[in-house]
Amino acid sequence: EAGVAQSPRYKIIEKRQSVAFWCNPISGHATLYWYQQILGQGPKLLIQFQNNGVVDDSQLPKDRFSAERLKGVDSTLKIQPAKLEDSAVYLCASSLGWRGGVYTQYFGPGTRLTVL
Amino acid sequence: TQLLEQSPQFLSIQEGENLTVYCNSSSVFSSLQWYRQEPGEGPVLLVTVVTGGEVKKLKRLTFQFGDARKDSSLHITAAQPGDTGLYLCAGESGAGSYQLTFGKGTKLSVIP
Repeated sequence: EAGVAQSPRYKIIEKRQSVAFWCNPISGHATLYWYQQILGQGPKLLIQFQNNGVVDDSQLPKDRFSAERLKGVDSTLKIQPAKLEDSAVYLCASSLGWRGGVYTQYFGPGTRLTVL
Repeated sequence: TQLLEQSPQFLSIQEGENLTVYCNSSSVFSSLQWYRQEPGEGPVLLVTVVTGGEVKKLKRLTFQFGDARKDSSLHITAAQPGDTGLYLCAGESGAGSYQLTFGKGTKLSVIP
């Protein structure tokens, strides 16, 4: 079974530029998450999708961040314009929800963003 | 807001030593998960504990969920260099949210 795919793996941009990240979840996983992981910290949830609808985007800085999941499969996360403090690893995860008493999120390798 | 505090933040030990990592919260979680993350990779699930007082073993790793479901521990016996990584605990609050709250992690280095 293929895992969660993310691209690009690395991105370096100047502040005030725009950037977009792409995620392809595990086939059949209805729930998709975007996390921000700043160096030295745990992942912080930015947005959660169920199929192509937003479940929770309460921690997404909506003045500069946007995300979409057209057709309920792939998703893109965009930052426009980027700030220095956006430097982080952006992780995508997908889940089937609770199965057999276990709830598992499967993470992609992440995109490491550096804003100069 | 539910918070998970992990300790210690950093741990450097010699191969063969034992260690324990702690994950504490003032909130009750319906389940708690432990992940390991290696540099340049996403977190990988090690175990899920659901019942208060539950103990699960994964080879040399022992996971325990507190009776009140507010805390958990991870014990590694005879650590090996391959155990090196960032260990993250994450709590799921229940009520069908399917959301995880992560701790800041414990960065473990096992020196050969």
